[in-house]
Amino acid sequence: EVQLLESGGGLRQPGGSLRLSCEVSGFKFNLFAMTWVRQAPGKGLEWVSGLSASGDRTYSADSVTGRFTISRDNSKNTLFLHMNSLRVDDTAVYYCARVTPNNWFDSWGQGTPVTVSS
Amino acid sequence: QSALTQPASVSGSPGQSITITCSGTSSDIGGYNSVSWYQQFPGKAPKLIISDVDRRPSGISDRFSGSKSDNTASLTISGLQADDEAVYYCSSYRRITTFYWVFGGGTRLTVL
Repeated sequence: EVQLLESGGGLRQPGGSLRLSCEVSGFKFNLFAMTWVRQAPGKGLEWVSGLSASGDRTYSADSVTGRFTISRDNSKNTLFLHMNSLRVDDTAVYYCARVTPNNWFDSWGQGTPVTVSS
Repeated sequence: QSALTQPASVSGSPGQSITITCSGTSSDIGGYNSVSWYQQFPGKAPKLIISDVDRRPSGISDRFSGSKSDNTASLTISGLQADDEAVYYCSSYRRITTFYWVFGGGTRLTVL
């Protein structure tokens, strides 16, 4: 069974940093691209960042470019999102998801909440 | 990176059919067949219900169907049931100077 489990969310002040993790199981992690998607309270889904299976190509939304970095450790079946210079509007539930070769997201984690507030 | 355009809400009675549209551009919906649809219940993670414009993943009811014409994708739910009440999001791969993914703003379905 494919499983994705996010962790690392919490409360930070504006300007702070946070690292999210997504530990996966049930599939060959190193064969799939991965992505982070977030959802602000009461709002819709927003794509944040994506990463190729090997980790050599990354893609990010304009809203997080230069502040967030996506990475992976294929030896530990874990995806990361390094979040710096946090802003109030980064407050959201952050989901990790598996990306299929045809560019859709077929499995999602349960999400980890991030709150940025002074 | 503007979102795809969906109606904020749709409604229908049990047994009826509804269609949710998702408008994009030639750089996303019109240029690729990677349109997908997700169903989300309150407090839950999104769930894939349609991929590659019109394919249903294993376990998804055949009451859900997808299509695409030019820059607009559509999700049709036939034989509405009370437990279809959820928010539905479309998504597409988009490539302009680089590539990324984009979502629609979401459509809340109310079953009357």
